[in-house]
Amino acid sequence: DAEITQSPRHKITETGRQVTLACHQTWNHNNMFWYRQDLGHGLRLIHYSYGVQDTNKGEVSDGYSVSRSNTEDLPLTLESAASSQTSVYFCASSGGGNEQFFGPGTRLTVL
Amino acid sequence: LAKTTQPISMDSYEGQEVNITCSHNNIATNDYITWYQQFPSQGPRFIIQGYKTKVTNEVASLFIPADRKSSTLSLPRVSLSDTAVYYCLVGDGYSSASKIIFGSGTRLSIRP
Repeated sequence: DAEITQSPRHKITETGRQVTLACHQTWNHNNMFWYRQDLGHGLRLIHYSYGVQDTNKGEVSDGYSVSRSNTEDLPLTLESAASSQTSVYFCASSGGGNEQFFGPGTRLTVL
Repeated sequence: LAKTTQPISMDSYEGQEVNITCSHNNIATNDYITWYQQFPSQGPRFIIQGYKTKVTNEVASLFIPADRKSSTLSLPRVSLSDTAVYYCLVGDGYSSASKIIFGSGTRLSIRP
């Protein structure tokens, strides 16, 4: 069965370190998205991609970057982790329209 | 992308029908209305989508009036497992390159 996976599921890091969160989908979807969700709040869009070599900024992109070198993967990099980036990160993919398939999430703690 | 407004929280009891209303006054012609469900510690899950009138699937029904400025998600005979956050959003249902914006959602609590 097709799926979308994220790794690691939990990560603790220190302020100032570079962190990369992995997202891998086997749906063969062109569209991939990264969201963050802070405790008790909705999801906010960080970056998204509509295909290989395409990346776009979302509403909260400062301090984050993505690259899309193939269809299956969209890694999210925190260039210099800050405590304000402690959150749960969700990756999603879509073949178009409003239906997105979400991964299980990565819980990131920045100390 | 059109903004949506929905109640912050709702409470109900097992076996009851629950209706969650969402307003989207600035919905565009190509926009579909979509609802997601999110359980604690999980990613959101698509549950239903519609353009106009009524849509029903095995999980829920979606009622959309003619002016499409609001919609109502109906959950029949809820159980404790329906306790979750429900998000209403609108977006271009035709686009191959569509993005969606999540609001704060409605936190639904079901009691025995």
